[in-house]
Amino acid sequence: DTAVSQTPKYLVTQMGNDKSIKCEQNLGHDTMYWYKQDSKKFLKIMFSYNNKELIINETVPNRFSPKSPDKAHLNLHINSLELGDSAVYFCASSQGISGGSQETQYFGPGTRLLVL
Amino acid sequence: DAKTTQPTSMDCAEGRAANLPCNHSTISGNEYVYWYRQIHSQGPQYIIHGLKNNETNEMASLIITEDRKSSTLILPHATLRDTAVYYCIVSPYGGATNKLIFGTGTLLAVQP
Repeated sequence: DTAVSQTPKYLVTQMGNDKSIKCEQNLGHDTMYWYKQDSKKFLKIMFSYNNKELIINETVPNRFSPKSPDKAHLNLHINSLELGDSAVYFCASSQGISGGSQETQYFGPGTRLLVL
Repeated sequence: DAKTTQPTSMDCAEGRAANLPCNHSTISGNEYVYWYRQIHSQGPQYIIHGLKNNETNEMASLIITEDRKSSTLILPHATLRDTAVYYCIVSPYGGATNKLIFGTGTLLAVQP
C-alpha cells in the first residue's frame, strides 16, 4: 500500500486555468505538507497543516490555496496558473511536529505540473 | 536558507562504503541532523537522524562529531540503486512547526 499518494502524477494545462492536486496519506499522521521543486531542483516548503490547522505558509502567492478536509488529506488548489508555476509538487506527512522521530517526513511521488 | 554545507558531488564504487560529509557549524543545541535522499524522479526519502550520538539503522550510519558541527552519513555497501542526491538538514525539535529546509545536497554517483 502506498503511504503517501498524489493525484494526478502529471498535469499539463494552459496559463490562466485553475487546477487541483490531491494528496492522501494512510499512515495515521497528524501533519501534512506541500513542497515545490523547481526546474533547478530546489525543494522548498509551501504549506503545512497539523490536525487540519494551517501552521506554515511560506510567502506563497494567494493563488495557491491548500485545503485539508481531514487529517488524511491535503489538497492544493491553484488559481490562474502562470508559467512559473511549472514544477514538481510533493506532498509529505509526519506523525507530529515536535521532536526527533515525530518530525520524520514521508513524501509522495510528486505531481509534475507543466503550464503552457 | 539551508544551514548546512555539502560537497556538490561524489563518486563511489559499487560495494564500497560511501561516506558523505556535511558541515553544520552553526547548529543549535536543540537541532537534529536529518538525512534524506532523492532518487531521480522520486520523492525525497528519509534515511536517518540524530542529535548527539551516532546512529545506525538498516539503511545507513550517522556519525556526528563531538562538537556537533559536522556529520558523516555512511552507506556501508553502496549499490547502483543508492545513486541519488543526499540532503543533510538541521531542524529544531520542540517547536511549533516542522520545516525541512533543503539545500543543494550531494549527488552521489555509484559506479559499477
